[in-house]
Amino acid sequence: AQTVTQSQPEMSVQEAETVTLSCTYDTSESDYYLFWYKQPPSRQMILVIRQEAYKQQNATENRFSVNFQKAAKSFSLKISDSQLGDAAMYFCAYRSADPEYGNKLVFGAGTILRVKS
Amino acid sequence: GAGVSQSPRYKVAKRGQDVALRCDPISGHVSLFWYQQALGQGPEFLTYFQNEAQLDKSGLPSDRFFAERPEGSVSTLKIQRTQQEDSAVYLCASSLGASSYNEQFFGPGTRLTVL
Repeated sequence: AQTVTQSQPEMSVQEAETVTLSCTYDTSESDYYLFWYKQPPSRQMILVIRQEAYKQQNATENRFSVNFQKAAKSFSLKISDSQLGDAAMYFCAYRSADPEYGNKLVFGAGTILRVKS
Repeated sequence: GAGVSQSPRYKVAKRGQDVALRCDPISGHVSLFWYQQALGQGPEFLTYFQNEAQLDKSGLPSDRFFAERPEGSVSTLKIQRTQQEDSAVYLCASSLGASSYNEQFFGPGTRLTVL
């Protein structure tokens, strides 16, 4: 079974600074997808960024980028120029590309990100 | 267009009561997922539908949990004889296709409190 581990329960960053959230995962598969989701207090889960395992290039979405290390099974999220609106719970998630696993997401425990003004 | 909606947003039940949680996916979305999120934890998979077919129910914690999607659109998660450990946020998500490539869009969740 696949597992996702987020070892940082809570992180703080000063507004306009950069912060990196860590994520590691365990799988025996070679083809899969990795995600970072943001969950503000409103509870609406929002997709931040996605990475396909077969792509070597790290995904980037505006101020958000990932460092995907497939051999190390590591998938960290970097947030540049942090804004107050970035404050939320962030979840790392894994999804198998094998239809046998039914497309379900496997989530980590989450990291609370606090942004200081 | 409208996103995934869930109702009610909050539900308080006395232990032993039955509850029904509703999910309205994005129109035309084939796949529908239910997740359970305990306080301070990440969501955990409960069950998955492709149209009206329940293809995976491996995450349902007990036979008190039952989900259906009879016409391939709206889904209902029913919990019978609720227990305190059922207290959690129940999230619904839908995706356009059946491929693992398709993005899952989440609803706001239903917070269930069992007293």
